[in-house]
Amino acid sequence: RKEVEQDPGPFNVPEGATVAFNCTYSNSASQSFFWYRQDCRKEPKLLMSVYSSGNEDGRFTAQLNRASQYISLLIRDSKLSDSATYLCVVTTTSGTYKYIFGTGTRLKVLA
Amino acid sequence: DGGITQSPKYLFRKEGQNVTLSCEQNLNHDAMYWYRQDPGQGLRLIYYSQIVNDFQKGDIAEGYSVSREKKESFPLTVTSAQKNPTAFYLCASTKTGYTGELFFGEGSRLTVL
Repeated sequence: RKEVEQDPGPFNVPEGATVAFNCTYSNSASQSFFWYRQDCRKEPKLLMSVYSSGNEDGRFTAQLNRASQYISLLIRDSKLSDSATYLCVVTTTSGTYKYIFGTGTRLKVLA
Repeated sequence: DGGITQSPKYLFRKEGQNVTLSCEQNLNHDAMYWYRQDPGQGLRLIYYSQIVNDFQKGDIAEGYSVSREKKESFPLTVTSAQKNPTAFYLCASTKTGYTGELFFGEGSRLTVL
Protein backbone atom coordinates (compact mmCIF):
# COMPACT_ATOMS: atom_id res chain seq x y z
CA ARG A 1 0.00 0.00 0.00
CA LYS A 2 1.34 3.45 -0.87
CA GLU A 3 2.08 5.77 2.02
CA VAL A 4 -0.01 8.54 0.49
CA GLU A 5 -2.77 7.78 -2.00
CA GLN A 6 -4.78 10.04 -4.25
CA ASP A 7 -7.26 9.48 -7.05
CA PRO A 8 -5.32 10.56 -10.17
CA GLY A 9 -8.44 11.85 -11.94
CA PRO A 10 -8.81 13.74 -14.15
CA PHE A 11 -11.75 15.48 -12.57
CA ASN A 12 -13.46 17.46 -15.34
CA VAL A 13 -15.83 20.05 -13.89
CA PRO A 14 -17.63 23.09 -15.32
CA GLU A 15 -16.75 26.60 -14.19
CA GLY A 16 -18.51 27.49 -10.98
CA ALA A 17 -18.74 23.92 -9.75
CA THR A 18 -17.65 22.69 -6.35
CA VAL A 19 -15.15 19.86 -6.38
CA ALA A 20 -13.58 17.84 -3.57
CA PHE A 21 -10.48 15.66 -3.45
CA ASN A 22 -9.45 13.21 -0.80
CA CYS A 23 -6.06 11.87 0.11
CA THR A 24 -5.40 8.94 2.44
CA TYR A 25 -2.19 8.28 4.35
CA SER A 26 -1.01 5.08 5.98
CA ASN A 27 1.24 6.25 8.82
CA SER A 28 -0.81 7.18 11.86
CA ALA A 29 2.22 9.03 13.26
CA SER A 30 2.22 11.52 10.38
CA GLN A 31 2.67 15.04 11.65
CA SER A 32 2.02 17.72 9.08
CA PHE A 33 -0.21 17.85 6.04
CA PHE A 34 -0.25 20.07 2.99
CA TRP A 35 -1.88 20.60 -0.35
CA TYR A 36 0.41 21.72 -3.15
CA ARG A 37 -0.62 22.84 -6.60
CA GLN A 38 1.46 21.92 -9.63
CA ASP A 39 0.91 23.37 -13.08
CA CYS A 40 2.01 21.42 -16.13
CA ARG A 41 5.81 21.21 -16.31
CA LYS A 42 6.27 23.56 -13.37
CA GLU A 43 7.37 23.19 -9.78
CA PRO A 44 4.85 22.45 -7.00
CA LYS A 45 3.71 25.45 -4.97
CA LEU A 46 2.10 25.43 -1.56
CA LEU A 47 -1.65 25.89 -1.75
CA MET A 48 -2.36 25.48 1.93
CA SER A 49 -1.36 23.68 5.07
CA VAL A 50 -3.96 21.45 6.69
CA TYR A 51 -4.68 21.83 10.37
CA SER A 52 -6.60 19.56 12.70
CA SER A 53 -9.27 22.19 13.12
CA GLY A 54 -9.63 22.60 9.36
CA ASN A 55 -8.79 25.78 7.54
CA GLU A 56 -10.16 27.93 4.79
CA ASP A 57 -8.52 30.30 2.34
CA GLY A 58 -10.99 32.01 0.08
CA ARG A 59 -12.60 29.39 -2.14
CA PHE A 60 -10.41 26.61 -0.74
CA THR A 61 -11.13 24.56 2.37
CA ALA A 62 -8.86 21.84 3.75
CA GLN A 63 -9.74 19.33 6.43
CA LEU A 64 -7.90 16.64 8.32
CA ASN A 65 -9.45 13.47 9.73
CA ARG A 66 -6.83 11.75 11.87
CA ALA A 67 -9.12 8.92 12.93
CA SER A 68 -9.72 7.85 9.34
CA GLN A 69 -6.32 9.05 8.15
CA TYR A 70 -7.32 11.27 5.31
CA ILE A 71 -7.19 14.89 4.30
CA SER A 72 -9.52 16.65 1.93
CA LEU A 73 -9.52 19.71 -0.27
CA LEU A 74 -12.71 21.46 -1.32
CA ILE A 75 -12.72 24.04 -4.10
CA ARG A 76 -15.83 26.17 -4.45
CA ASP A 77 -16.83 28.23 -7.48
CA SER A 78 -14.16 26.64 -9.69
CA LYS A 79 -12.28 28.92 -12.08
CA LEU A 80 -10.53 28.00 -15.31
CA SER A 81 -7.29 28.99 -13.59
CA ASP A 82 -7.81 26.26 -10.98
CA SER A 83 -6.94 23.66 -13.64
CA ALA A 84 -3.81 21.96 -12.32
CA THR A 85 -2.61 18.89 -10.46
CA TYR A 86 -3.14 18.93 -6.71
CA LEU A 87 -0.56 17.10 -4.65
CA CYS A 88 -1.19 15.81 -1.16
CA VAL A 89 1.92 15.95 1.05
CA VAL A 90 2.39 14.34 4.45
CA THR A 91 5.37 14.55 6.77
CA THR A 92 6.72 11.91 9.08
CA THR A 93 9.62 12.00 11.48
CA SER A 94 12.10 9.20 11.52
CA GLY A 95 15.21 10.99 12.70
CA THR A 96 14.50 13.69 10.17
CA TYR A 97 11.45 15.23 8.68
CA LYS A 98 10.43 13.41 5.54
CA TYR A 99 7.94 14.81 3.08
CA ILE A 100 5.93 12.14 1.29
CA PHE A 101 4.05 13.07 -1.85
CA GLY A 102 0.95 11.59 -3.38
CA THR A 103 0.88 11.15 -7.14
CA GLY A 104 -1.53 14.05 -7.49
CA THR A 105 -5.11 14.58 -8.63
CA ARG A 106 -5.59 16.31 -11.94
CA LEU A 107 -8.35 18.91 -12.17
CA LYS A 108 -9.66 20.38 -15.42
CA VAL A 109 -12.15 23.21 -15.15
CA LEU A 110 -14.14 23.55 -18.36
CA ALA A 111 -15.68 26.73 -19.78
CA ASP B 1 13.80 38.20 -3.32
CA GLY B 2 14.70 34.96 -1.56
CA GLY B 3 14.31 31.71 -3.39
CA ILE B 4 15.85 28.63 -4.93
CA THR B 5 17.64 28.74 -8.27
CA GLN B 6 18.13 25.63 -10.32
CA SER B 7 20.20 25.43 -13.46
CA PRO B 8 20.14 24.51 -16.20
CA LYS B 9 16.43 24.47 -16.86
CA TYR B 10 16.81 22.05 -19.77
CA LEU B 11 19.68 19.67 -20.31
CA PHE B 12 20.37 17.08 -22.97
CA ARG B 13 22.96 14.44 -22.44
CA LYS B 14 24.27 11.46 -24.29
CA GLU B 15 24.24 8.07 -22.66
CA GLY B 16 27.36 7.42 -20.60
CA GLN B 17 27.90 11.04 -19.60
CA ASN B 18 27.72 12.43 -16.08
CA VAL B 19 25.84 15.69 -15.62
CA THR B 20 25.60 18.03 -12.65
CA LEU B 21 22.47 19.98 -11.79
CA SER B 22 22.95 23.12 -9.76
CA CYS B 23 20.76 24.18 -6.82
CA GLU B 24 21.38 27.42 -4.90
CA GLN B 25 19.17 28.95 -2.20
CA ASN B 26 19.30 32.26 -0.37
CA LEU B 27 16.54 31.48 2.13
CA ASN B 28 19.02 30.59 4.87
CA HIS B 29 17.43 27.15 5.06
CA ASP B 30 19.36 24.32 6.65
CA ALA B 31 17.67 21.38 4.92
CA MET B 32 17.83 20.79 1.19
CA TYR B 33 16.34 18.01 -0.92
CA TRP B 34 16.50 16.58 -4.41
CA TYR B 35 13.43 14.96 -5.93
CA ARG B 36 12.78 13.26 -9.20
CA GLN B 37 9.40 13.38 -10.93
CA ASP B 38 8.33 11.09 -13.77
CA PRO B 39 5.05 11.42 -15.69
CA GLY B 40 2.13 10.09 -13.68
CA GLN B 41 4.24 9.56 -10.59
CA GLY B 42 4.69 11.47 -7.40
CA LEU B 43 7.91 13.10 -6.35
CA ARG B 44 10.53 10.61 -5.21
CA LEU B 45 13.33 11.59 -2.87
CA ILE B 46 16.86 11.12 -4.20
CA TYR B 47 19.04 12.73 -1.50
CA TYR B 48 18.62 15.18 1.33
CA SER B 49 20.91 17.21 3.54
CA GLN B 50 20.13 18.74 6.90
CA ILE B 51 23.46 20.42 7.50
CA VAL B 52 26.63 21.36 5.68
CA ASN B 53 28.97 18.44 4.97
CA ASP B 54 26.27 15.90 5.72
CA PHE B 55 23.70 14.24 3.45
CA GLN B 56 21.56 11.13 3.42
CA LYS B 57 20.26 8.81 0.72
CA GLY B 58 16.61 8.99 -0.10
CA ASP B 59 14.47 6.32 -1.70
CA ILE B 60 16.12 6.27 -5.13
CA ALA B 61 19.77 7.31 -4.60
CA GLU B 62 21.37 4.74 -6.88
CA GLY B 63 23.16 6.38 -9.80
CA TYR B 64 23.18 9.83 -8.17
CA SER B 65 25.65 11.73 -6.00
CA VAL B 66 25.51 15.01 -4.10
CA SER B 67 27.70 17.34 -2.06
CA ARG B 68 26.92 19.99 0.54
CA GLU B 69 30.03 22.10 0.98
CA LYS B 70 28.11 25.33 1.52
CA LYS B 71 24.77 25.96 3.18
CA GLU B 72 23.46 27.66 0.06
CA SER B 73 24.41 24.98 -2.44
CA PHE B 74 23.37 21.37 -3.01
CA PRO B 75 24.41 20.15 -6.47
CA LEU B 76 23.22 16.82 -7.83
CA THR B 77 25.30 14.69 -10.20
CA VAL B 78 23.47 12.21 -12.38
CA THR B 79 26.02 9.57 -13.18
CA SER B 80 26.22 7.15 -16.07
CA ALA B 81 25.19 4.44 -13.59
CA GLN B 82 21.66 5.85 -13.45
CA LYS B 83 19.74 3.55 -15.76
CA ASN B 84 16.86 5.83 -16.68
CA PRO B 85 17.86 9.43 -15.97
CA THR B 86 15.38 11.22 -18.22
CA ALA B 87 13.12 13.05 -15.75
CA PHE B 88 12.17 16.34 -14.14
CA TYR B 89 14.46 17.10 -11.20
CA LEU B 90 13.32 19.37 -8.39
CA CYS B 91 15.43 20.88 -5.64
CA ALA B 92 13.71 22.01 -2.45
CA SER B 93 14.58 23.46 0.92
CA THR B 94 13.10 24.03 4.34
CA LYS B 95 14.23 24.99 7.81
CA THR B 96 15.48 22.03 9.83
CA GLY B 97 13.17 21.01 12.61
CA TYR B 98 10.31 22.90 11.08
CA THR B 99 7.60 20.86 9.43
CA GLY B 100 6.50 23.76 7.35
CA GLU B 101 6.44 24.67 3.72
CA LEU B 102 8.83 22.96 1.37
CA PHE B 103 10.11 25.55 -1.11
CA PHE B 104 10.94 24.41 -4.63
CA GLY B 105 13.17 25.62 -7.40
CA GLU B 106 11.77 25.77 -10.93
CA GLY B 107 13.21 22.39 -11.80
CA SER B 108 15.65 20.98 -14.31
CA ARG B 109 14.43 18.81 -17.14
CA LEU B 110 17.04 16.24 -18.17
CA THR B 111 16.73 14.29 -21.40
CA VAL B 112 19.12 11.50 -22.29
CA LEU B 113 19.52 11.05 -26.01
